[in-house]
Amino acid sequence: QKEVEQNSGPLSVPEGAIASLNCTYSDRGSQSFFWYRQYSGKSPELIMSIYSNGDKEDGRFTAQLNKASQYVSLLIRDSQPSDSATYLCAVNTDQSYNFNKFYFGSGTKLNVKP
Amino acid sequence: GAVVSQHPSWVICKSGTSVKIECRSLDFQATTMFWYRQFPKQSLMLMATSNEGSKATYEQGVEKDKFLINHASLTLSTLTVTSAHPEDSSFYICSARKQRGSDTQYFGPGTRLTVL
Repeated sequence: QKEVEQNSGPLSVPEGAIASLNCTYSDRGSQSFFWYRQYSGKSPELIMSIYSNGDKEDGRFTAQLNKASQYVSLLIRDSQPSDSATYLCAVNTDQSYNFNKFYFGSGTKLNVKP
Repeated sequence: GAVVSQHPSWVICKSGTSVKIECRSLDFQATTMFWYRQFPKQSLMLMATSNEGSKATYEQGVEKDKFLINHASLTLSTLTVTSAHPEDSSFYICSARKQRGSDTQYFGPGTRLTVL
């Protein structure tokens, strides 16, 4: 069983719409959750981190965490063509700070159509 | 800020040669750096965790004698791919974590290695 699972997509949304990206994880003890954006041929860039249940908003992005259901999601409001990329969910499943091992999902490809 | 650089950004080498990739944290001290590999259309796979001043911790299946990691200072880690072969061709990405208190990883721009 994969540690972190994402729908590979592609997810296509029209410009201006809300894009909803989902991620589930297997380790119930996970504490830290991250969303990264990766453009083709580039390295990941951090969008948001979330540590507590509920919503966390940053501009057009909202991360949602539900530890009981073991899922984390990312909402992108007013989607723009420049948001077209692969979105990676990362989970820190190690309780020891010294190890801090991230498990990445396979990513969801988002296409925002003008 | 949290800027991480990598050098070179791309490299082409002949089979059997060794290639060194540098990862630097430019505006912070990184107690821990991570090395990932990403094949086309696949996600990042952690190769090893590098702590300053100590030996790297390698993931299962990663040959430590083939992928040499040196974390000599709080701002520099190097990955040397020894006796590279075409199957080592990949996108190698490092990330760095700031001092204690934060587990966020900041990624370098990556190095694309092509072994002929």
